[in-house]
Amino acid sequence: NAGVTQTPKFQVLKTGQSMTLQCAQDMNHNSMYWYRQDPGMGLRLIYYSASEGTTDKGEVPNGYNVSRLNKREFSLRLESAAPSQTSVYFCASKGTGGNNQPQHFGDGTRLSIL
Amino acid sequence: GENVEQHPSTLSVQEGDSAVIKCTYSDSASNYFPWYKQELGKGPQLIIDIRSNVGEKKDQRIAVTLNKTAKHFSLHITETQPEDSAVYFCAASEVNDMRFGAGTRLTVKP
Repeated sequence: NAGVTQTPKFQVLKTGQSMTLQCAQDMNHNSMYWYRQDPGMGLRLIYYSASEGTTDKGEVPNGYNVSRLNKREFSLRLESAAPSQTSVYFCASKGTGGNNQPQHFGDGTRLSIL
Repeated sequence: GENVEQHPSTLSVQEGDSAVIKCTYSDSASNYFPWYKQELGKGPQLIIDIRSNVGEKKDQRIAVTLNKTAKHFSLHITETQPEDSAVYFCAASEVNDMRFGAGTRLTVKP
C-alpha cells in the first residue's frame, strides 16, 4: 500500500527553468493538496483540489499552477523557477467524510533553484 | 484566515520525562485539530487528532487536550523515548483550509 507517492525526490533547477512535480495517491481520496515547507514556517498551502475537475488557490499560489489529471493524480508546475521557490514540496490527500479527516502526506520533493 | 502559533520551537527532555507542546489558533470556525510527527527526510505522519466536540483524547503515551473557549490545544507525550525525537506540527482545520504551526523540534536524550 503506497499511499501518496511523489516524484522526483530531489531536483536542482536553474532560475527560469520549468518543472512539473508529480503526485499520485492510491487511497481513492477525493481531495488533494500541495504544500511547501520552509524552515521555521511550517507547511503552507499552495493549491488544492477538493474533487476531480476542480482546483483552488491556497495561501501562497503565486508562481505555481496545478492540474488534477484524474482522481489519483495532482501535479504542480513551476513555469519559470525563481530562487524563492527553493523549498521542500509535499503533496497530501484526504478522504471523504467531511472536514474532520486527516490529510495523508507523501515524503516530499526537495527542490533547489540556483 | 486561520493563524496557528506553536510553542516551544525546540524542546529537549530526558528519556522517561514528559513533553508538552502548545498551540493557539485564531479562527473560532476551526473544528479539527490534528498533530503530525515528521522524521528527517519524511513527510508528516498523523499521530493523534481531536475534534471540536471533544475536550481530551488519549492514545497510549500520547494525549491531546482542547480548550475551544481559549482557542488553544496541547500535545502531551509521557514516558518519552529516544524514538520520539522528531519535529511535531499542530494544525487547525476548517473544510479545505488547514493551517499548520511552525513546528517543535523535540529531542529526547537517553
